[in-house]
Amino acid sequence: AAGVIQSPRHLIKEKRETATLKCYPIPRHDTVYWYQQGPGQDPQFLISFYEKMQSDKGSIPDRFSAQQFSDYHSELNMSSLELGDSALYFCASSLAGFEAFFGQGTRLTVV
Amino acid sequence: AQSVTQLGSHVSVSEGALVLLRCNYSSSVPPYLFWYVQYPNQGLQLLLKYTTGATLVKGINGFEAEFKKSETSFHLTKPSAHMSDAAEYFCAVTAYSGGGADGLTFGKGTHLIIQP
Repeated sequence: AAGVIQSPRHLIKEKRETATLKCYPIPRHDTVYWYQQGPGQDPQFLISFYEKMQSDKGSIPDRFSAQQFSDYHSELNMSSLELGDSALYFCASSLAGFEAFFGQGTRLTVV
Repeated sequence: AQSVTQLGSHVSVSEGALVLLRCNYSSSVPPYLFWYVQYPNQGLQLLLKYTTGATLVKGINGFEAEFKKSETSFHLTKPSAHMSDAAEYFCAVTAYSGGGADGLTFGKGTHLIIQP
């Protein structure tokens, strides 16, 4: 069965650079979520989209933005990267919000 | 707003023994509750979920959990631990707001250690 696809799997950026993470949800899923998981931490909800509209917002920094496109894939844009942004970024998708399926994550390292 | 408290950041049990991972939640609206498992450097895999209906829910790998509204709890159990159960377990809560479910709020996680 198709799963949530995230790219890239690993990314190394320097401070103050910009990064773009991509997420391809499970086909026909209408909701996409983004989470950030720091080392040894629980996942923190960043933002979600339902039918291409932002539906919920968590602890997403102003330096970050996200959108969902007409084909339902989503991108998380991160600017002015800081060392503290180093984390595992997960995307999840769901149909009507009843069960979120997670991707394998993108490991971002800021040096 | 919702919150989740997982009691015990580390739980150690012997292989074959009962596994009990505790989760208490706080929610101002009827909650949807989930348990996820995470293996090292892996994504989150859903073990089981409670939305409505039967309060005892069964999941994958022999796990089950019971929703107890009066105790605001959703503890995860497995009758007999297996070495492959060693992982990080997260309890999570969300609410359905009509325009899609809100983002999950996770507990801090419980690291399950299985002793041979």
